[in-house]
Amino acid sequence: GAVVSQHPSWVICKSGTSVKIECRSLDFQATTMFWYRQFPKQSLMLMATSNEGSKATYEQGVEKDKFLINHASLTLSTLTVTSAHPEDSSFYICSAITAYEQYFGPGTRLTVT
Amino acid sequence: AQSVTQLGSHVSVSEGALVLLRCNYSSSVPPYLFWYVQYPNQGLQLLLKYTSAATLVKGINGFEAEFKKSETSFHLTKPSAHMSDAAEYFCAGAGGTSYGKLTFGQGTILTVHP
Repeated sequence: GAVVSQHPSWVICKSGTSVKIECRSLDFQATTMFWYRQFPKQSLMLMATSNEGSKATYEQGVEKDKFLINHASLTLSTLTVTSAHPEDSSFYICSAITAYEQYFGPGTRLTVT
Repeated sequence: AQSVTQLGSHVSVSEGALVLLRCNYSSSVPPYLFWYVQYPNQGLQLLLKYTSAATLVKGINGFEAEFKKSETSFHLTKPSAHMSDAAEYFCAGAGGTSYGKLTFGQGTILTVHP
């Protein structure tokens, strides 16, 4: 089956710094990718839809200036958490869709100290 | 708007017993429905999906789910639990033509006792 990778798998950063998370579709092209956020012991919440070659579409309540999404190629979308704060600590999961399936990455654990 | 509700945040069964995880959805249009499993600190693995082809959907690892429109339900079952089934399970739905934008239920943690 199709594989989606994320890098890094976990990251610790200091408050006020920015962190970039990569999401790659390894063996297929994905014009659309999604970014989800999962707080501890909670469900996944869709943050934004990442579209190759165009601006991302953010869900209500998600700060687009804080969570910068770039989908520069058909196999790569990046999420940059700018000026990170402890409340941004979470598990970030991306997914990519083909015509019939959605494939999830393994997730990135972000801890902001 | 699409919403997905999982009844029971924790379910505990004995090894070999029936597993039943409940999921109800609300939608004005026939949805896509999914069950995913998540192991600690890992991503999501698709167990099965409903896309209107058949109401009884068989998935991996012996799981199956039945779509019941009259009850707006999509409960997940497995006849005999195995220790390796212990994980968190998420029901998710997508409405209309955008099956990619998923709405997740709250999740159910399944514990399997020896």
